[in-house]
Amino acid sequence: AQTVTQSQPEMSVQEAETVTLSCTYDTSESDYYLFWYKQPPSRQMILVIRQEAYKQQNATENRFSVNFQKAAKSFSLKISDSQLGEAAMYFCAYRNLGGSQGNLIFGKGTKLSVKP
Amino acid sequence: GAGVSQSPSNKVTEKGKDVELRCDPISGHTALYWYRQSLGQGLEFLIYFQGNSAPDKSGLPSDRFSAERTGGSVSTLTIQRTQQEDSAVYLCASRTGVSYEQYFGPGTRLTVT
Repeated sequence: AQTVTQSQPEMSVQEAETVTLSCTYDTSESDYYLFWYKQPPSRQMILVIRQEAYKQQNATENRFSVNFQKAAKSFSLKISDSQLGEAAMYFCAYRNLGGSQGNLIFGKGTKLSVKP
Repeated sequence: GAGVSQSPSNKVTEKGKDVELRCDPISGHTALYWYRQSLGQGLEFLIYFQGNSAPDKSGLPSDRFSAERTGGSVSTLTIQRTQQEDSAVYLCASRTGVSYEQYFGPGTRLTVT
């Protein structure tokens, strides 16, 4: 079975600085998706960025980028120029590419604080 | 456009009572998921519906949990004889049949006293 591990329960960053959140996963599949979701206090899960495992190029969305290391099964999220509004829980998630189900497997999350 | 909605937003119930949680997916989304988020934990998959196919119930933690989806749209998650360990946030998500992206609702916070 696939598992996702986030080893940092909490992280803190100064506004406008850069922070990296770690995620490792375990799978025997070769094709899959990886995601980072953000969950603010409103509880709404918001997709931040996704990565297809077959793509070697790291995904980037504005100030969010990932460092995808397939061999190491590592998928870290870098937030540049951190904003106060980005304080939230961040979850790393995995999804098999094949099959029709497509349920997400989540890590336990990292609580990010942004200090003014 | 309208996103995924869930009701109620919060529910407090006594141990042993039954509860029903509702999810309205985005119109046209054929796939629907229920997840449970216990305190300090990530989301745990519960059940998956796709169109008219039989649901995948592999994530349901016990036979006290059940779910249905009527008319391929609204879904109801029912928990019978609630226990304190059922206290959690229950999140619903939907997606189109071909998309990878799941859109989440705001969740229902269930507290069992």
